[in-house]
Amino acid sequence: DQQVKQNSPSLSVQEGRISILNCDYTNSMFDYFLWYKKYPAEGPTFLISISSIKDKNEDGRFTVFLNKSAKHLSLHIVPSQPGDSAVYFCAASGKQGAQKLVFGQGTRLTINP
Amino acid sequence: GAVVSQHPSWVICKSGTSVKIECRSLDFQATTMFWYRQFPKQSLMLMATSNEGSKATYEQGVEKDKFLINHASLTLSTLTVTSAHPEDSSFYICSARDDGRAKNIQYFGAGTRLSVL
Repeated sequence: DQQVKQNSPSLSVQEGRISILNCDYTNSMFDYFLWYKKYPAEGPTFLISISSIKDKNEDGRFTVFLNKSAKHLSLHIVPSQPGDSAVYFCAASGKQGAQKLVFGQGTRLTINP
Repeated sequence: GAVVSQHPSWVICKSGTSVKIECRSLDFQATTMFWYRQFPKQSLMLMATSNEGSKATYEQGVEKDKFLINHASLTLSTLTVTSAHPEDSSFYICSARDDGRAKNIQYFGAGTRLSVL
């Protein structure tokens, strides 16, 4: 049962344009969502998060949008830079489950020069 | 801030031996740490939640006698893969929750690639 889904395994974007990564979840008990960036053979790096009481959170080039009714969140990166090329994971946690994170399958983002 | 160090980064061992992986929070205290496993091109799968001073909580299907977890201090958790076999070869990643920050954010180590021959 995949509670957090990232349906696009890969995404290719031109440098300078906007990258939009999507994530869907099924568990309505999730109330906190996070995005992590991961390079090969390294651990994930925390990027940005959002609580379910908000619908948008922005940090520099990164903005996360949350649509609770659709159980959907997205990460916008603008402008995209070559160093943004990595695998991006969305994760969710809820009040139940001792703050365990449930991860999506990841989306490989490639920024083309 | 919020740096997590994981050691070793890569280990090769013979089948039947045990391997210990360390996870340290360098600049914060972590009552709770987590151990994940990642197979190629797949997501991170939580193996267990490690709590300082108490027994770890294992996810369904994870053998606690095979994957021994010890969380003896607020900055160190260890995972020991006992009697390792080739099917245990994988990428193991730890994370730690900073007691002084937002509780839902986990900070990850760089991971350990285990190869069992």
